Amino acid sequence: GAGVSQSPSNKVTEKGKDVELRCDPISGHTALYWYRQRLGQGLEFLIYFQGNSAPDKSGLPSDRFSAERTGESVSTLTIQRTQQEDSAVYLCASSFRTSGLDTQYFGPGTRLTVL
Amino acid sequence: GIQVEQSPPDLILQEGANSTLRCNFSDSVNNLQWFHQNPWGQLINLFYIPSGTKQNGRLSATTVATERYSLLYISSSQTTDSGVYFCAVVSGGGADGLTFGKGTHLIIQP
Repeated sequence: GAGVSQSPSNKVTEKGKDVELRCDPISGHTALYWYRQRLGQGLEFLIYFQGNSAPDKSGLPSDRFSAERTGESVSTLTIQRTQQEDSAVYLCASSFRTSGLDTQYFGPGTRLTVL
Repeated sequence: GIQVEQSPPDLILQEGANSTLRCNFSDSVNNLQWFHQNPWGQLINLFYIPSGTKQNGRLSATTVATERYSLLYISSSQTTDSGVYFCAVVSGGGADGLTFGKGTHLIIQP
C-alpha cells in the first residue's frame, strides 16, 4: 500500500498506565525500526526488527519498554508503567533490505503525553 | 558510537536565496540519509546518499565518504522549505538503526 502507518496518532495517558503503539510497515519491507523524538530534540534509535526477530535492542531506554513484530508485518511497542519522561513522539520506519543498507521510510508518528 | 554533527544549527534566509547545510560524521557509514521534518513533524526523505552526488529539483546532496562529510544544497529557497533538516547515518560496524544529528533549523522568510 502507501507509506508506513502508525496508530494512534495521539495518546494521552496517566502516569503508571501501560500503553501500546502500533506500526504498519510498507508491504514487503523486511526491516522495521522504532525511534523516539523528545520535544525539541533529535531522534533516538530504540529497536530494530529483521523479520520478526530483534537482533538489536540496544536503544530501549529501560525494561519497561518492549516490542514485538508479527512476521514481516505489524509491530507493537509497549511501554509499561509510563513515566512523564516517556512523553515524546514515537516514530516507526521500515526498509526493504536489512543491515541498514537501504532507505528507511518513516511513518507520521504517535505523540504520547504522560500526565 | 558514531557521532553526527550538523551545521549551522539555525539558518534564516530570504526567499530565493541558496543555502548549504553540512553533516560531519566520525566513522565510516553504510547509510546516510537527509530528511526534512515539516512543521507537522513528518520526516520526509530527501536523499539516500552514503557516497556520491544526487540531485532532485532544487535540492542536491554530496557525500565524501573518505572525508566523512555530506552537504545538502538548497537553491532558490521557498517558504515551504522551512523546517528542520536532519542528517542520519548507519555506521559501518555498528547497529542498524540510524544515528541522527541534531538538525539544522531553516527559516525562509518571504
